[in-house]
Amino acid sequence: GAVVSQHPSRVICKSGTSVKIECRSLDFQATTMFWYRQFPKQSLMLMATSNEGSKATYEQGVEKDKFLINHASLTLSTLTVTSAHPEDSSFYICSARASSVNTEAFFGQGTRLTVV
Amino acid sequence: QKEVEQNSGPLSVPEGAIASLNCTYSDRGSQSFFWYRQYSGKSPELIMSIYSNGDKEDGRFTAQLNKASQYVSLLIRDSQPSDSATYLCAVNNRRGSYIPTFGRGTSLIVHP
Repeated sequence: GAVVSQHPSRVICKSGTSVKIECRSLDFQATTMFWYRQFPKQSLMLMATSNEGSKATYEQGVEKDKFLINHASLTLSTLTVTSAHPEDSSFYICSARASSVNTEAFFGQGTRLTVV
Repeated sequence: QKEVEQNSGPLSVPEGAIASLNCTYSDRGSQSFFWYRQYSGKSPELIMSIYSNGDKEDGRFTAQLNKASQYVSLLIRDSQPSDSATYLCAVNNRRGSYIPTFGRGTSLIVHP
């Protein structure tokens, strides 16, 4: 399958600081990228969908000013968690898809964020 | 009715047996279906995709799709302890950018 690289895999930050997570498609061009968060033993929760060159579409209840998503190129999307708080601690995962139609999406390795 | 439904399990099978995982979906117009495997603490990994009715085999895995009944299943033959994981069913929802909608996942335990 296609390779999606997510970085960093683990980050600890202080409350009130911002954290940027990168998601790169290494061997294909990602027209669409998805960002998820997952709490322990819970299902994936879609946060937003981003198409290259367009503003991200956020799911209901997700604060777009807090979770900034940029998809400036066909191989890179970033998620910035601004003014992080302990309740933002979670497992953040991106996935990328090569086409905007019905094809499979491939996941990055995930980023475990701990806010202290 | 949830868009994609899976039995949360756990489904426990002995090593060497066939594990059968099921998923139903509500959007009759859905055309793309996927199975992902997620180990504890890791991100999901795509193991099968299926787009047309019938069976699709890949090694020990067989995906089955029945659009009339709106269900998709995954069979794992010769189950191994390393297959123990949560299996997520995903269906590309027609809204917007064909967003993948995930079930809650079925926990599979393969015991020696």
